[in-house]
This record gives sequence, C-alpha cells and structure tokens, in this order.
Amino acid sequence: AQSVSQHNHHVILSEAASLELGCNYSYGGTVNLFWYVQYPGQHLQLLLKYFSGDPLVKGIKGFEAEFIKSKFSFNLRKPSVQWSDTAEYFCAAVLQTGANNLFFGTGTRLTVIP
Amino acid sequence: NAGVTQTPKFRILKIGQSMTLQCTQDMNHNYMYWYRQDPGMGLKLIYYSVGAGITDKGEVPNGYNVSRSTTEDFPLRLELAAPSQTSVYFCASKEGGFSYEQYFGPGTRLTVT
Repeated sequence: AQSVSQHNHHVILSEAASLELGCNYSYGGTVNLFWYVQYPGQHLQLLLKYFSGDPLVKGIKGFEAEFIKSKFSFNLRKPSVQWSDTAEYFCAAVLQTGANNLFFGTGTRLTVIP
Repeated sequence: NAGVTQTPKFRILKIGQSMTLQCTQDMNHNYMYWYRQDPGMGLKLIYYSVGAGITDKGEVPNGYNVSRSTTEDFPLRLELAAPSQTSVYFCASKEGGFSYEQYFGPGTRLTVT
C-alpha cells in the first residue's frame, strides 16, 4: 500500500544542535514531496517542497531537505535549531496519478530545549 | 486574502447530535479537502472536491457528508456524532492538480462526549 513513514516520533534537542528528521515513501511512480510544520496551537504551514530538479531544496527558516530517489527518502535537516523550532513536523507526498491527494506521515514532534 | 477559514474553532457535541463544520476559501481554488488529525496518526483524508458540484471519498469518510455548491465553500456534515469522531478537523485547498501545494485552515477541535 502507498504510505509515508516518519520513524522519529519525538525528538528532543538542545538549542544549536543539528536536526535531521527521516521521511520515507513507498510509491514507485512520480511524486511530489512536502514538509509541513505545525507550531503549537496553529495550523499547518508549508516548510518546503520538492517537485523536480535539484534534489536539495531549501525552505523557510533555514530548513532544507534532500530527495534521494534510490532510497525513497526526503529527510528534513537544519544545521542549528532554535527554541522557536519546537513544533510538529509532517512529511507528505502526492502522486502524479489518481486524484493527486496528499498522503501524510504520522508526524515528528520536535522539542528544543533552551 | 484571508486564505482558508474554518468555523467554529472549538465545539463539544453530545453523542448522537449533528453539526456542520464550515470551510471557506477566497483564493478561487478548485480543489478542497477535509482532513482529521488524531494524536500520533497524522492527517487522514475524509472527503475532497475537485470543483463545485464534484465530491469524492477519501480514506475515512464514514460518518461524514460533504457538499460543494460553490467554489468558495466546502462544509463537512457530521450526522449522529460518535466519540470516535473526537478529533481536530482541517480544511485545505489548492489551485490545481499534481504540482500545487495545499493551503490549510486553522482547524476545528471537536469533542464528542
């Protein structure tokens, strides 16, 4: 079955630590990939997206992600996290076929300790 | 642009009651979606619409109904509320098909007791 997996459920880091959140998808066809962030009490906001071209994409607030097709992965990274990055992070994929609906991972909660 | 707006923000329902969650977007988007978010489960698609008058089921449609009479509005109806429908509900919209991102509303937190 088609799915998006996020294996880190809760990550706790100190400020200035580096971050990498894993995301794997199981589709064989063409996909678009997204990372969304949900700050406490707020709605989902787009961090970055990959449609085509350079597999290293840069998003807002210093985040970046790398699409590795051979590994079916789209991991999110940030060199130095801040307390304000405390949030829940969702990876999502949309297939080129069908109704183009988004499939979400289960999310990773990031807690940054000052 | 207000983007995607949802009302109400919070609601408590008793088992068996019904209600409508409202969703409106002012971006003239064709595609609209309803998701529910349960703790540790990510977002699951309930229903979606690719244009006025066209709706279809997502992953978890049971217990819900939708309609899409205008481009702007996409209400979600809960008939005979059950505790299993306690969740946070998000509405989203996007301009087109594959190569477009979705924009999310602020959510409605629903508790059924």
